[in-house]
Amino acid sequence: AQSVSQHNHHVILSEAASLELGCNYSYGGTVNLFWYVQYPGQHLQLLLKYFSGDPLVKGIKGFEAEFIKSKFSFNLRKPSVQWSDTAEYFCAVTTTGRRALTFGSGTRLQVQP
Amino acid sequence: EPEVTQTPSHQVTQMGQEVILRCVPISNHLYFYWYRQILGQKVEFLVSFYNNEISEKSEIFDDQFSVERPDGSNFTLKIRSTKLEDSAMYFCASSDEAVLTHEQYFGPGTRLTVT
Repeated sequence: AQSVSQHNHHVILSEAASLELGCNYSYGGTVNLFWYVQYPGQHLQLLLKYFSGDPLVKGIKGFEAEFIKSKFSFNLRKPSVQWSDTAEYFCAVTTTGRRALTFGSGTRLQVQP
Repeated sequence: EPEVTQTPSHQVTQMGQEVILRCVPISNHLYFYWYRQILGQKVEFLVSFYNNEISEKSEIFDDQFSVERPDGSNFTLKIRSTKLEDSAMYFCASSDEAVLTHEQYFGPGTRLTVT
């Protein structure tokens, strides 16, 4: 069965700092990769996804992620964070023929003004 | 923008009681899902539903759980006899079959507390 690891559980940054959140998955076959965000008091929202093609994926609100197949990684990046990016970020994966999302444990990002 | 809605937002029940959690998926979506998140743990997949039947389920989704699409808009999760360990946030999601990437849209969740 596939699994997803997010190594950073809690990240604190100052505004304008750069962000990189790690995500690694374990699965030997084809995967679809997602990053979801949950702002305080709100529901999970899709930030970006990788399905095929260009491994560098751009999402909403200036976020991007790079799929590195050889490293089984799909790290999330943003060059300059804002206070409004304070949220919990979840990496997730689906595999060929399955729609069930397997989530990582989430990373709580706190951006200080 | 269309959204997935869930009711109630918070449900408190006693151990052994039956609960029904309700969801209204996005209207043109055909795949529906339930996930749960126990406090401090990962979001876990429970079940997916398509064309009036379960298409996939996890080990968590045992005989105590059932899902139903009772009408054209609602999608429900029933827990027959709740246990303390069923206390969690339950998320409903839906996706559009026509979209190849079948991204899932989540509702705000129902917090279930079993006492």
